[in-house]
Amino acid sequence: EIVLTQSPGTLSLSPGERATLSCRASQSVSSGYLAWYHQKPGQAPRLLIYGASSRATGIPDRFSGSGSGTDFTLTISRLEPEDFAMYYCQQYVTAPFTFGPGTKVDIK
Amino acid sequence: EVQLVESGGGLVQPGGSLRLSCAASGFTFSSNWMHWVRQAPGEGPVWVSRINSDGNTTRYADSVKGRFTISRDNAKNMLFLQMNSLRAEDTAVYYCARGAGGYYNAWGQGTLVTVSS
Repeated sequence: EIVLTQSPGTLSLSPGERATLSCRASQSVSSGYLAWYHQKPGQAPRLLIYGASSRATGIPDRFSGSGSGTDFTLTISRLEPEDFAMYYCQQYVTAPFTFGPGTKVDIK
Repeated sequence: EVQLVESGGGLVQPGGSLRLSCAASGFTFSSNWMHWVRQAPGEGPVWVSRINSDGNTTRYADSVKGRFTISRDNAKNMLFLQMNSLRAEDTAVYYCARGAGGYYNAWGQGTLVTVSS
């Protein structure tokens, strides 16, 4: 099973700042089969990025994904108030498809 | 608009059973693989089970294999999860999710399952 590690655990930033979230895999996630989701309290996760760098439908371009192999990054160029939430990465190259433990982006 | 609406959660004693349902609308349900994903309080999501579009192939996480059964009714646009021999560690919010080649591009609002005496 591929284990995903996310860092930092918590990221405290102000609106308008840039956020950089990391996701590291215990084995190579080939073909960039990595997705990112965000989740607000009491809500379901929502897909942001798939294929490591493709934005899902309706996701604004301030969200971008990059990386390959075992190291992936989600960048939010300028934080909006609605972006303060939990963020999870997920690999779908090897079953069982697994999620990371999450990074909380909160308001500084 | 794509909608997934789960129901059937609740409080159940260890060893008990529950059947979760998920009503789908706004897309061609019979063309999509569907999944159940659960999330314990304060933790990340965990994949539980999946079923292919015509219901002929199913897969389960090792933690639920032999206890949970996924099924679907394409005529009624419904997904189900029969959960037997429930344990305290099965306590979680259960989401149905639409699969898209390995990731999940639509989620329901979730239904809470609590296993406790």
